Amino acid sequence: GAVVSQHPSRVICKSGTSVKIECRSLDFQATTMFWYRQFPKKSLMLMATSNEGSKATYEQGVEKDKFLINHASLTLSTLTVTSAHPEDSSFYICSARATGGGSPLHFGNGTRLTVT
Amino acid sequence: AQKITQTQPGMFVQEKEAVTLDCTYDTSDQSYGLFWYKQPSSGEMIFLIYQGSYDEQNATEGRYSLNFQKARKSANLVISASQLGDSAMYFCAMREPRGGYNKLIFGAGTRLAVHP
Repeated sequence: GAVVSQHPSRVICKSGTSVKIECRSLDFQATTMFWYRQFPKKSLMLMATSNEGSKATYEQGVEKDKFLINHASLTLSTLTVTSAHPEDSSFYICSARATGGGSPLHFGNGTRLTVT
Repeated sequence: AQKITQTQPGMFVQEKEAVTLDCTYDTSDQSYGLFWYKQPSSGEMIFLIYQGSYDEQNATEGRYSLNFQKARKSANLVISASQLGDSAMYFCAMREPRGGYNKLIFGAGTRLAVHP
């Protein structure tokens, strides 16, 4: 089945630094990938839709300059948390769909970001 | 406005018994999709089952079945013969066709505990 790889799985960084999270579709091409954020014991909140070769579409309230998304190829999307602060600490999870609206989203294993 | 509602923050069930997790949704679209995902403590999102709005029969996948009542806008997940490994968070999600990206919007989730 379709596999999405997300890296790193866990990262700790200092306030003010930037962190890049990679999301790769391993055995399919994904023109669209989605980035979600999940707070402890909460649901997944969609942050942005990543489109190959074009600008990402951000959900209302998500700072596009804070969360930079690049989708440079059909198998890779990256999320960069710039100038991270402790409130950015969260679980970030990416997803992609192989083909068709009825196909399920396949998720990466997530990245737990801790900003100290 | 909340589009996916899961009213049960937590549920417990005895091993080998069946359990129903509730989900209601709100949409004005005629074409939509409903999904259930399982999230164990490791954080990965595991696709369980899908129901399309035009599907006349309830979806089934092994021990999982979806009780789809379109007029009531409900899509409850039924897990039969519960196993200890079923203990996890369960999320109901709806595919939003608007905007062309088929985004998935998640409910708040239900934490299921299976007791021996």
